[in-house]
Amino acid sequence: DGGITQSPKYLFRKEGQNVTLSCEQNLNHDAMYWYRQDPGQGLRLIYYSQIVNDFQKGDIAEGYSVSREKKESFPLTVTSAQKNPTAFYLCASSSSGRAWETQYFGPGTRLLVL
Amino acid sequence: AQSVAQPEDQVNVAEGNPLTVKCTYSVSGNPYLFWYVQYPNRGLQFLLKYITGDNLVKGSYGFEAEFNKSQTSFHLKKPSALVSDSALYFCAVRDLPFSGGYNKLIFGAGTRLAVHP
Repeated sequence: DGGITQSPKYLFRKEGQNVTLSCEQNLNHDAMYWYRQDPGQGLRLIYYSQIVNDFQKGDIAEGYSVSREKKESFPLTVTSAQKNPTAFYLCASSSSGRAWETQYFGPGTRLLVL
Repeated sequence: AQSVAQPEDQVNVAEGNPLTVKCTYSVSGNPYLFWYVQYPNRGLQFLLKYITGDNLVKGSYGFEAEFNKSQTSFHLKKPSALVSDSALYFCAVRDLPFSGGYNKLIFGAGTRLAVHP
């Protein structure tokens, strides 16, 4: 899992509650990403950021929000508008976001709804 | 639209036998292809990638993959499987760039590899 840390490992959300997933990297990478993994569906992109103070929606951004105030950090908030949040969430980073670069992944956070 | 397919949900192999995990793709232009492995409740680990050049790409843990442009395939292979290779394997292809040239990856649904002693 390299130099990417995600916390917590497990997170429980109550109905109507917003929760925030942490992602930190010490790889000095400019680009960071959030993916959602559901069984049998592969990974789907939620948000990405190529540089500090800039981020773009991915394929399934509804019900999620992000911030990128520091190069090392890219937290994801799962809002109450996300009606089916139960999934495994993976953060990734790459050097600068160019097409041939490898994305490196963190260990993931499993979100469960109470 | 760019896409990647992993036609097998599960592959079963005996330890010591060669293994192949299949991946086919559909892209406009030159494909950038990646293989990742995921162990239970863990993140994805990068195995190898094809960007350009030699069609046979060697990666981590003894894995290799063969890029075949005419068949639009990028199958993952290993000459001799280990029980510890049992995991979920994902093939990914780079999508056309978003504005600004962002490197979006499109992932296949994954193939579960089970290596039996």
